Amino acid sequence: SAVISQKPSRDICQRGTSLTIQCQVDSQVTMMFWYRQQPGQSLTLIATANQGSEATYESGFVIDKFPISRPNLTFSTLTVSNMSPEDSSIYLCSVEVRVGGELFFGEGSRLTVL
Amino acid sequence: KNQVEQSPQSLIILEGKNCTLQCNYTVSPFSNLRWYKQDTGRGPVSLTIMTFSENTKSNGRYTATLDADTKQSSLHITASQLSDSASYICVVNSNYQLIWGAGTKLIIKP
Repeated sequence: SAVISQKPSRDICQRGTSLTIQCQVDSQVTMMFWYRQQPGQSLTLIATANQGSEATYESGFVIDKFPISRPNLTFSTLTVSNMSPEDSSIYLCSVEVRVGGELFFGEGSRLTVL
Repeated sequence: KNQVEQSPQSLIILEGKNCTLQCNYTVSPFSNLRWYKQDTGRGPVSLTIMTFSENTKSNGRYTATLDADTKQSSLHITASQLSDSASYICVVNSNYQLIWGAGTKLIIKP
């Protein structure tokens, strides 16, 4: 298993600003992912955070809007840039301890953009 | 198009009763099927992972079934408790790509 800590747990931000979300895992993991969950919706994968290289983004998500860092096997950050009210969502960090195995999720970061 | 559809969208039952949630998928190729429980304001937690050859898998009061021929899965909850109030999400793994259902919101009333 894995224990994942996300910060901040929630924030209220102004339009046009940026926010960085941190994800810390209690053990080294190869696969780390960032998801978005819009109100009343299920999860959508934003990107896979790759250690030592650029993240792999899903269709509809771009690095300029959602830059991701992964400096080591236990930590990653997701930045939501130039925010608009449409970015109001829960952002979730997730890890896969073994390939194809179950995903472990952080508690999520609830972002509200005014 | 790969899709996972869940029904009902929402469900209200009395504490102590049983219920069954449905998941139909049109995903190919199929690697495994997962059920997650997501409490309000929390991240999802895995309940079961089922491979092609598994028909039934239990986790306490939760029992998942899988019919790979009809591409259907169900999650049965026995003797429901107030703590079972949550969203239940069906996810199909297709060659390491996860296809997420929209979830069933379950409310248990005392």
